[in-house]
Amino acid sequence: ELKVEQNPLFLSMQEGKNYTIYCNYSTTSDRLYWYRQDPGKSLESLFVLLSNGAVKQEGRLMASLDTKARLSTLHITAAVHDLSATYFCAVALGGGNYQLIWGAGTKLIIKP
Amino acid sequence: DTAVSQTPKYLVTQMGNDKSIKCEQNLGHDTMYWYKQDSKKFLKIMFSYNNKELIINETVPNRFSPKSPDKAHLNLHINSLELGDSAVYFCASSQWGWVLKTQYFGPGTRLLVL
Repeated sequence: ELKVEQNPLFLSMQEGKNYTIYCNYSTTSDRLYWYRQDPGKSLESLFVLLSNGAVKQEGRLMASLDTKARLSTLHITAAVHDLSATYFCAVALGGGNYQLIWGAGTKLIIKP
Repeated sequence: DTAVSQTPKYLVTQMGNDKSIKCEQNLGHDTMYWYKQDSKKFLKIMFSYNNKELIINETVPNRFSPKSPDKAHLNLHINSLELGDSAVYFCASSQWGWVLKTQYFGPGTRLLVL
């Protein structure tokens, strides 16, 4: 059974600081997604990572994937208040099973 | 243009009632999903349809019944609502392919059972 663990689950940080959210998963997968959810809102796709060593960047967010370690990171550079949200990683089961297994989410609060 | 829409956005009802949530997507996708997000924000897949065929049917009470009249619509009917059904229900859609594609989510339906 594929399990996905995110840490930390809650993160409060100051603007301008850097931090990293970690996503570990328990079995082989061929793709990993990062989503963002603002309070009371829907989920928005941020990144899809398809292969070992994949790195994607959008603004102050950078996601990477190490399939050997079964680890993805979401790095926040020089955080700004607008990045406050809950961030989810989700891992595809693969093998013809069209299902995502979701992490519990990391609630990120960035204080001015 | 709204890509994935759901109605209603809010639903407050009494225990024991029956209710339906509707979802429509105009992205041309073949696959649609229902998720439940509980009060702790944990997301759980409930059902998925590909071109009107049920492909994911997770362990949920049989009071929940999905229906897909065509590949652009996916509805969720809930019988005999219980307090524990209170949650946010998200519809999502994606392209079909031999690997899972990015899922696009609707705005959610906030269900409160009293």
